[in-house]
Amino acid sequence: GDSVTQMEGPVTLSEEAFLTINCTYTATGYPSLFWYVQYPGEGLQLLLKATKADDKGSNKGFEATYRKETTSFHLEKGSVQVSDSAVYFCALAPSGGYQKVTFGTGTKLQVIP
Amino acid sequence: GAVVSQHPSWVICKSGTSVKIECRSLDFQATTMFWYRQFPKQSLMLMATSNEGSKATYEQGVEKDKFLINHASLTLSTLTVTSAHPEDSSFYICSARGFGRRPRNEQFFGPGTRLTVL
Repeated sequence: GDSVTQMEGPVTLSEEAFLTINCTYTATGYPSLFWYVQYPGEGLQLLLKATKADDKGSNKGFEATYRKETTSFHLEKGSVQVSDSAVYFCALAPSGGYQKVTFGTGTKLQVIP
Repeated sequence: GAVVSQHPSWVICKSGTSVKIECRSLDFQATTMFWYRQFPKQSLMLMATSNEGSKATYEQGVEKDKFLINHASLTLSTLTVTSAHPEDSSFYICSARGFGRRPRNEQFFGPGTRLTVL
């Protein structure tokens, strides 16, 4: 079945540091890939997505590129802020729709001033 | 737009009682709603998928008689945890998918409901 593997946290960075959170997936066909963010005590918010190979999703300074050859969708940000502290989930949905989303275990990011 | 709300945001109940959690799509019609459960420091686990006007489809290992799901309208789905026990304590999150102003088929998540069973 489909699965998503992301790096374990927590990740602690100083403000303005470079962020990478690794994510790899296993799926048949051409799934859509997502990054969701969960701030403390809140639900999930879609951060960015990519629906086909080589697509780059971007939002709020975060980027991730859909790499079919390495089955990866790593999240990056050039300069993190304290307000980016949250849990980040990598996820995929089967090709053809968003019927069932499979989530990774989440990576907690803590940014210190 | 594409706002999903949940009520209550948190609830504490005694063991053996039932608790109802509501999930509403505020500005679009949700043809499909999903219920997830999140354990501390873990990922979301899909519990069930409900389509408006039909019975919910439960994931393997989820007790349908314990977690009753009703999707009676295009803007409301409810999850009732029957005869709750301490092991049911968790964070329950719903998501909704529909055809409105947003991109088709995208899921939008509610803020979650924290259930604590004493």
